Amino acid sequence: KQEVTQIPAALSVPEGENLVLNCSFTDSAIYNLQWFRQDPGKGLTSLLLIQSSQREQTSGRLNASLDKSSGRSTLYIAASQPGDSATYLCAASNDYKLSFGAGTTVTVRA
Amino acid sequence: DAGVIQSPRHEVTEMGQEVTLRCKPISGHNSLFWYRQTMMRGLELLIYFNNNVPIDDSGMPEDRFSAKMPNASFSTLKIQPSEPRDSAVYFCASSWEGTVINNEQFFGPGTRLTVL
Repeated sequence: KQEVTQIPAALSVPEGENLVLNCSFTDSAIYNLQWFRQDPGKGLTSLLLIQSSQREQTSGRLNASLDKSSGRSTLYIAASQPGDSATYLCAASNDYKLSFGAGTTVTVRA
Repeated sequence: DAGVIQSPRHEVTEMGQEVTLRCKPISGHNSLFWYRQTMMRGLELLIYFNNNVPIDDSGMPEDRFSAKMPNASFSTLKIQPSEPRDSAVYFCASSWEGTVINNEQFFGPGTRLTVL
């Protein structure tokens, strides 16, 4: 059974600082890894999907890396802004199933 | 595209009542997922449909839960009878499962269910 862990559970940084969010998974036979953002009381917004054959994926200020052999993915958010405050979840895909981590709640202080 | 649409957004009911949650997936998507999110257990997959057929319902917690997908544009999740421990946020998600390597899932806004 795939187990996904996200550390830290919460993070508070001043505006402008770069964010580093970590995700680890136990079963390296994944098809892809997906990063989501969830605002309070809202649904999940897909940020990035990294296929198993890829090492990283970029979208604007966001960059996600994937190391299947070590069972790790990292989401980097450059030059953080107060609008980046949210919970970020990673999900590892084994076939059609997504296994989610508990999330990292980020607060960016103005 | 309007994205995944769920209704109602909020539902408050009393224990023992029947609850029906509705979902309209993104047009053209052939896979649909129902998830439940709680503080204790996080996000859990309840059931997965592919081409309107239930493929995996191993996450459905009890026989009180049932789900249907009568056509490609509509699905329901029913709880009968409801219990206070069913209180959670229920999400519907859809994807195009051309290849599983690239099957990005898109989530609806969720239904917040409170059972008194």
